[in-house]
Amino acid sequence: NAGVTQTPKFQVLKTGQSMTLQCAQDMNHNSMYWYRQDPGMGLRLIYYSASEGTTDKGEVPNGYNVSRLNKREFSLRLESAAPSQTSVYFCASRIGQVDYGYTFGSGTRLTVV
Amino acid sequence: AQRVTQPEKLLSVFKGAPVELKCNYSYSGSPELFWYVQYSRQRLQLLLRHISRESIKGFTADLNKGETSFHLKKPFAQEEDSAMYYCALSKPGGGSRLTFGEGTQLTVNP
Repeated sequence: NAGVTQTPKFQVLKTGQSMTLQCAQDMNHNSMYWYRQDPGMGLRLIYYSASEGTTDKGEVPNGYNVSRLNKREFSLRLESAAPSQTSVYFCASRIGQVDYGYTFGSGTRLTVV
Repeated sequence: AQRVTQPEKLLSVFKGAPVELKCNYSYSGSPELFWYVQYSRQRLQLLLRHISRESIKGFTADLNKGETSFHLKKPFAQEEDSAMYYCALSKPGGGSRLTFGEGTQLTVNP
């Protein structure tokens, strides 16, 4: 049982390049989330998907787009990367109806130069 | 709006000493509160939830609605407790998103 799987683990982009961060969960969870983690700022919600077929903005959505491809997969796209998007990105999921907290992926460390 | 504040970014204690990581929240209702832990370069893990009133790895946390706090405590810190700790809040009922605090980096010195 893999839980929440994120790819890639590391990525270096040049300013203006685009990329997609992939996230998949095998726990049949309804809700999925993308957070970014920055020193001194904790985790901030970028986008989330409460259920398959729905997506909503979080606290810091600018510069990002998401796709809930199916119940398992939730991808995060940077269309034109900026140095301010250098961060560690975490995907998470939760079952939705019963509150047992989130299950997190191992993170993607992204550097934009 | 819901908000979580962890006033200490860094906390350093000696092995065997008591430790308390502070968490204050603002929410107009009865939130659900959590502590998450992140060991060096690992994924975040759920440490405990206030609704279960459990003790995990010797840690406990009590919800104080009057002071709107959910401080994490351990009577005798161990070196393996060194990690980043995040307090988080969600609306009751499940299905809602978590709001995290800024995190506290705990270092337990030998």
